Amino acid sequence: AQSVTQPDIHITVSEGASLELRCNYSYGATPYLFWYVQSPGQGLQLLLKYFSGDTLVQGIKGFEAEFKRSQSSFNLRKPSVHWSDAAEYFCAVGAAGSYQLTFGKGTKLSVIP
Amino acid sequence: GAGVSQTPSNKVTEKGKYVELRCDPISGHTALYWYRQSLGQGPEFLIYFQGTGAADDSGLPNDRFFAVRPEGSVSTLKIQRTERGDSAVYLCASSLTSTSGEQFFGPGTRLTVL
Repeated sequence: AQSVTQPDIHITVSEGASLELRCNYSYGATPYLFWYVQSPGQGLQLLLKYFSGDTLVQGIKGFEAEFKRSQSSFNLRKPSVHWSDAAEYFCAVGAAGSYQLTFGKGTKLSVIP
Repeated sequence: GAGVSQTPSNKVTEKGKYVELRCDPISGHTALYWYRQSLGQGPEFLIYFQGTGAADDSGLPNDRFFAVRPEGSVSTLKIQRTERGDSAVYLCASSLTSTSGEQFFGPGTRLTVL
């Protein structure tokens, strides 16, 4: 069975600082990997996805993520955080050709002005 | 174009009552999914529709939960004899096909059972 671990429940960073949110997954084959963001009262918005190819993926809002097969990781990064990035971030794993998504428990990001 | 919409946005009910939650997917999306998100957790899969049929309902917690999609578009999640433990945000998502990989989520319905 596939699983996702987001080790950090809550992270606080200063505005303008760099950010890295960790995601580790467990899956037997090459996974589909996703990062979603959820603002209060909002649905999940897709930030970026990895299906195959280049292991460094660019997404919306200046986010990027790197797939590292050897570490079973798909960490999300942003070089300079804005106050509007404060939200909850979810990593998810899916299987190629399948509809099933398994989500992590999320990491809440707080941004200090 | 319009995204996934869900109604109501909030629903407060009493223990033992029946509730219906509605999802209107993106036009043309054949696949539709329901998830439940409890406080402090990520979304958990409930059921998946391909067209009008429930292709996978393995995530439904028990037989009090049921979902339909009679015309292959709008879906309704139905919960009978609600319990306090059913309180959660219920999310709906749709995708172009079941294998297209990317699911688009609605804003959710927050259900509170008193």
